Amino acid sequence: NAGVTQTPKFRVLKTGQSMTLLCAQDMNHEYMYWYRQDPGMGLRLIHYSVGEGTTAKGEVPDGYNVSRLKKQNFLLGLESAAPSQTSVYFCASSLQEYNQPQHFGDGTRLSIL
Amino acid sequence: AQKITQTQPGMFVQEKEAVTLDCTYDTSDPSYGLFWYKQPSSGEMIFLIYQGSYDQQNATEGRYSLNFQKARKSANLVISASQLGDSAMYFCAMKGDRDDKIIFGKGTRLHILP
Repeated sequence: NAGVTQTPKFRVLKTGQSMTLLCAQDMNHEYMYWYRQDPGMGLRLIHYSVGEGTTAKGEVPDGYNVSRLKKQNFLLGLESAAPSQTSVYFCASSLQEYNQPQHFGDGTRLSIL
Repeated sequence: AQKITQTQPGMFVQEKEAVTLDCTYDTSDPSYGLFWYKQPSSGEMIFLIYQGSYDQQNATEGRYSLNFQKARKSANLVISASQLGDSAMYFCAMKGDRDDKIIFGKGTRLHILP
């Protein structure tokens, strides 16, 4: 049982380059989330989705775009990477109900030079 | 707006002692869930324990228990008989029944000393 899988695990980009982070879950969860984790800041929500074809902004959405064309996949895009986007990115998924925990991927460590 | 506060950036505890990690929250949702996650140095996020706002009893999972005081809006994690493997970052989180988002505190880094 794979759970939540993030691709890639590590990436180094130059300023201005673009890339897409892929998140895939096999638990048939409705909700999916993208977070970034920076030292001393905890987990900050970038974007989230409550179902296929829907997305919504979180706490820190600027500079990122997302798409959820299929229920099991949630893509996070950086159109023009900036050094401030150097971070560890986590994807998570959950069922809709408020008493259901999130299941996390292992994270993607992204460095922007 | 919903908010989670963890006031202890770091803690040092002697092995085998019990430890309490503080978490206070604020929400206007009538029903909500509170979660604790552990993040070891390897980086993965591990779900530890859940407490529902209408649960009559405090949640327990092995050595983990949640000291839930609804009137004080606190949901402290208690780890009994701490072990070296408990050294990690711990996050408190909350989801309300009227919100699609789960919000996290900034975390507490726990160091267990041998």
